[in-house]
Amino acid sequence: KQEVTQIPAALSVPEGENLVLNCSFTDSAIYNLQWFRQDPGKGLTSLLLIQSSQREQTSGRLNASLDKSSGRSTLYIAASQPGDSATYLCAVLSNSGYALNFGKGTSLLVTP
Amino acid sequence: ETGVTQTPRHLVMGMTNKKSLKCEQHLGHNAMYWYKQSAKKPLELMFVYSLEERVENNSVPSRFSPECPNSSHLFLHLHTLQPEDSALYLCASSHTGQGSYEQYFGPGTRLTVT
Repeated sequence: KQEVTQIPAALSVPEGENLVLNCSFTDSAIYNLQWFRQDPGKGLTSLLLIQSSQREQTSGRLNASLDKSSGRSTLYIAASQPGDSATYLCAVLSNSGYALNFGKGTSLLVTP
Repeated sequence: ETGVTQTPRHLVMGMTNKKSLKCEQHLGHNAMYWYKQSAKKPLELMFVYSLEERVENNSVPSRFSPECPNSSHLFLHLHTLQPEDSALYLCASSHTGQGSYEQYFGPGTRLTVT
């Protein structure tokens, strides 16, 4: 069964810092990996999707990398802003099924 | 606002009530999903419909009954729930059930069972 782990569980940084969120998964047979953002009490907003054949994806200040062989992904946020405060979720779509397997998330607080 | 809508956004129900959650997607997708998000636990898949056929039931108790009348609508019928069923229920959709297709989520229904 695919297990997804996110480190750290929580992170607090001052505005303007660059930061890295980590995600690891146990089964490298994946179709893709998605990073989501979730604001308190809200649904999920897709940030980036990396296909299994890709190494990274970029969108604005966000960059996500994927190393499938080692079962790792990182989400890099440049020049963090208070509006980036949210929970960030990593999810992998395994070859074996339809479901996205989620980590527990990293709760990010960016202070002014 | 995403292309996936859910109603109601909040629901409080007693253990003997019957209620239904509704999801609608406007993205032209043909796969739809129900996920459950409980406090302190990762999101977990409940059901998957692909081309209006249920293709996955992730060991969900029978007090949860899904229905997919067409590719744009998905329902979750609730009956005789337990307090531990209180959670955020999220609907998602994508192109077909497998492959490298991005899943889009709705805003969720916050369910409280009293």
